[in-house]
Amino acid sequence: DSGVTQTPKHLITATGQRVTLRCSPRSGDLSVYWYQQSLDQGLQFLIQYYNGEERAKGNILERFSAQQFPDLHSELNLSSLELGDSALYFCASSGGEEGNTIYFGEGSWLTVV
Amino acid sequence: AQSVAQPEDQVKVAEGNPLTVKCTYSVSGNPYLFWYVQYPNRGLQFLLKYITGDNLVKGSYGFEAEFNKSQTSFHLKKPSALVSDSALYFCAVRRARGSTLGRLYFGRGTQLTVWP
Repeated sequence: DSGVTQTPKHLITATGQRVTLRCSPRSGDLSVYWYQQSLDQGLQFLIQYYNGEERAKGNILERFSAQQFPDLHSELNLSSLELGDSALYFCASSGGEEGNTIYFGEGSWLTVV
Repeated sequence: AQSVAQPEDQVKVAEGNPLTVKCTYSVSGNPYLFWYVQYPNRGLQFLLKYITGDNLVKGSYGFEAEFNKSQTSFHLKKPSALVSDSALYFCAVRRARGSTLGRLYFGRGTQLTVWP
């Protein structure tokens, strides 16, 4: 168990809908990362937050947004969903020290039908 | 730009034989290097990392990796493979310094199959 908790584990929704994925980082970790894993794109970095502030942005679509709350949990919002958004979405967290390890949650499986 | 290459999509070895999963990287400045493993329908599990110091790093489940700066490689090894090692392995790199500090760049992954 990495200590990173993601909900829901599985989600099936229709095209055009909006979903929210939730992540609780490891206790004490200030950084939260979101990654998308799909067969054709591999592991794609979406976005990183550090202590509530956006730190880095990757290949995140404009239809997607994220935030990190004061209690350090994070949410990834996916809207106007398309079939191609079907993927495994990972949340990860790390502490602030140099050389720290990034620990991943079990992921949220999103299927868009 | 930072990047990671895992030249083999698949590696197959017999149980008891040594295994190697290859990884090369490109990063400006000093790298932090990581290996993760993903079992079917599971998340990414951290195996080991190289930050500084000894080029041979030991990690979980008997795995080790050797950092070679001149060849920009960080190959994952295990002296004696187990069937239970069969999984998808990812190499990742992070810049030690810079605006993208903290973000991992991943390779495409190598599917390891160990047969009995």
